[in-house]
Amino acid sequence: LAKTTQPISMDSYEGQEVNITCSHNNIATNDYITWYQQFPSQGPRFIIQGYKTKVTNEVASLFIPADRKSSTLSLPRVSLSDTAVYYCLVGDIEGSSNTGKLIFGQGTTLQVKP
Amino acid sequence: DAMVIQNPRYQVTQFGKPVTLSCSQTLNHNVMYWYQQKSSQAPKLLFHYYDKDFNNEADTPDNFQSRRPNTSFCFLDIRSPGLGDAAMYLCATSRPGGRGNTIYFGEGSWLTVV
Repeated sequence: LAKTTQPISMDSYEGQEVNITCSHNNIATNDYITWYQQFPSQGPRFIIQGYKTKVTNEVASLFIPADRKSSTLSLPRVSLSDTAVYYCLVGDIEGSSNTGKLIFGQGTTLQVKP
Repeated sequence: DAMVIQNPRYQVTQFGKPVTLSCSQTLNHNVMYWYQQKSSQAPKLLFHYYDKDFNNEADTPDNFQSRRPNTSFCFLDIRSPGLGDAAMYLCATSRPGGRGNTIYFGEGSWLTVV
């Protein structure tokens, strides 16, 4: 399984755009890139998922270069409520019993300040 | 509406006294996972089921067992909890068969060992 590397922590201010980059040099052809958000004492929550180029939804954008060895989660105009841990996961959650699992890296703790 | 439901949310058990955590899902997903998350750490995969096919992670202690009597339910059994097993236990589900499927997490069960 591909290993991911993210910054341990980031600080930002309300209203700013935040970009969190994740490295996954050993990503496999069948792997997707998924980002989760986790608040204290809660289960992780799906934010966005992509395979290549750019994906955008109502809460975030995900940029993936052509070599797919990294990805960047972009959060536009963050607010205090975006303070959380953000996890980048790489894996193939389809197929046989030998796949279908996701391993968490250490995550990035984002602190949004007023 | 909650799709992955964990019970109990909070469990206190005595050192060495067996405990069972339960998870149910309304998504009819093939795959169910159990993760352990200790304070300030990322979730760690213990094992997962692909239908009835059980997949244990190599470093999951024998003290941790699991049962999946049907598609909707999965149980985590800790045979002899130690102080080091105090953590939040996360259940999750996914539906393989199509690329980019999402993993859905429950809200977690907090285990305290006294």
